[in-house]
Amino acid sequence: GAVVSQHPSRVICKSGTSVKIECRSLDFQATTMFWYRQFPKQSLMLMATSNEGSKATYEQGVEKDKFLINHASLTLSTLTVTSAHPEDSSFYICSATLGGDQPQHFGDGTRLSIL
Amino acid sequence: GDSVTQMEGPVTLSEEAFLTINCTYTATGYPSLFWYVQYPGEGLQLLLKATKADDKGSNKGFEATYRKETTSFHLEKGSVQVSDSAVYFCALVWRDDKIIFGKGTRLHILP
Repeated sequence: GAVVSQHPSRVICKSGTSVKIECRSLDFQATTMFWYRQFPKQSLMLMATSNEGSKATYEQGVEKDKFLINHASLTLSTLTVTSAHPEDSSFYICSATLGGDQPQHFGDGTRLSIL
Repeated sequence: GDSVTQMEGPVTLSEEAFLTINCTYTATGYPSLFWYVQYPGEGLQLLLKATKADDKGSNKGFEATYRKETTSFHLEKGSVQVSDSAVYFCALVWRDDKIIFGKGTRLHILP
């Protein structure tokens, strides 16, 4: 079945560091990838929608200059958390889809901890 | 480990039919349970949730009851509409762990 790989699975770093998270669709070409943030004990929040070759569409309230998304190919999207601070600590989860009414396939998530 | 199992689709119904999408879970504790909906081309939207046993989540005519005895959280709607056509994901969160999704169920509603 469809597989999405997300890397790294866990990051611990100092405040002010920039962190890059990769999301790869391993056996299919994803026209669209999504980035979500999960706050502790809470539901998922959609951050942005990423289409290959175009600028990401950010949800209201998400700072695009802080959460940089690049979708350079049909199999890779990256999220860079720039100048991370402790309040950015969260799970970040990506998903990928062929598009249309095809289900999303989720990465395993990245636990980001900013000290 | 914790997991979520939901019925595979696609599920095809006529408009105004009764809908049930089954969801069962395995978890070491008592997780929070969620149903999300994915419309074509869009990200997930939270449809409803329940945080403890016997809680019923409801939204837009959809309901699901947290059943601890059967470890289930089945999604129901009494009368579906064409606009309900989407992919539905059941999910759980235990404490501060990462959310765990089922594989999703595609729903097609015929006019």
